Amino acid sequence: DAKTTQPPSMDCAEGRAANLPCNHSTISGNEYVYWYRQIHSQGPQYIIHGLKNNETNEMASLIITEDRKSSTLILPHATLRDTAVYYCIVRGLNTGNQFYFGTGTSLTVIP
Amino acid sequence: GAVVSQHPSRVICKSGTSVKIECRSLDFQATTMFWYRQFPKQSLMLMATSNEGSKATYEQGVEKDKFLINHASLTLSTLTVTSAHPEDSSFYICSARLTSGTEQFFGPGTRLTVL
Repeated sequence: DAKTTQPPSMDCAEGRAANLPCNHSTISGNEYVYWYRQIHSQGPQYIIHGLKNNETNEMASLIITEDRKSSTLILPHATLRDTAVYYCIVRGLNTGNQFYFGTGTSLTVIP
Repeated sequence: GAVVSQHPSRVICKSGTSVKIECRSLDFQATTMFWYRQFPKQSLMLMATSNEGSKATYEQGVEKDKFLINHASLTLSTLTVTSAHPEDSSFYICSARLTSGTEQFFGPGTRLTVL
């Protein structure tokens, strides 16, 4: 079962930062937070993951709260191609690395 | 980056027939592959975990005799939908995990339509 909750939808103006929140209040100490996105009718695309420190790569930044009960994915300069469903996933180490997807956030980038 | 392919990308079949979907890791070896199903406007649902050389582990509610999974090599897993019915129409997606890694890399998906 998914262990995360996300808002069902968000809008963001093109060129602005998109901040996507995720709650994972039952996360265990050794569980990572992963973010993927899915553009319509395609397979999910890996974005970023982290344990407790903030992470940044060429696609996005991941901010994890100190208590690790929530996180925020930041797309610094959203483009129209960033319109997708974004999934926040907590990986259960005791279940063999399976990913259980929640409902995700449908992000629409508006021109 | 790690690339996963699926074949076919789309398939239409008659009710009662069987359909095989292939999932390949193109530039890495994958000890573990995963199969998901996604209905329209819904999230991905994990169906099974496939480990190379051993039997797949199915999620609760997924019929193992209907969804046959074979993972005969480190780069190939197959999902066979046996005696397909219209309610099996869905988007089937596989993923593969690097032998030494943690993140999963997903294939582009296979759209199955059962008439």
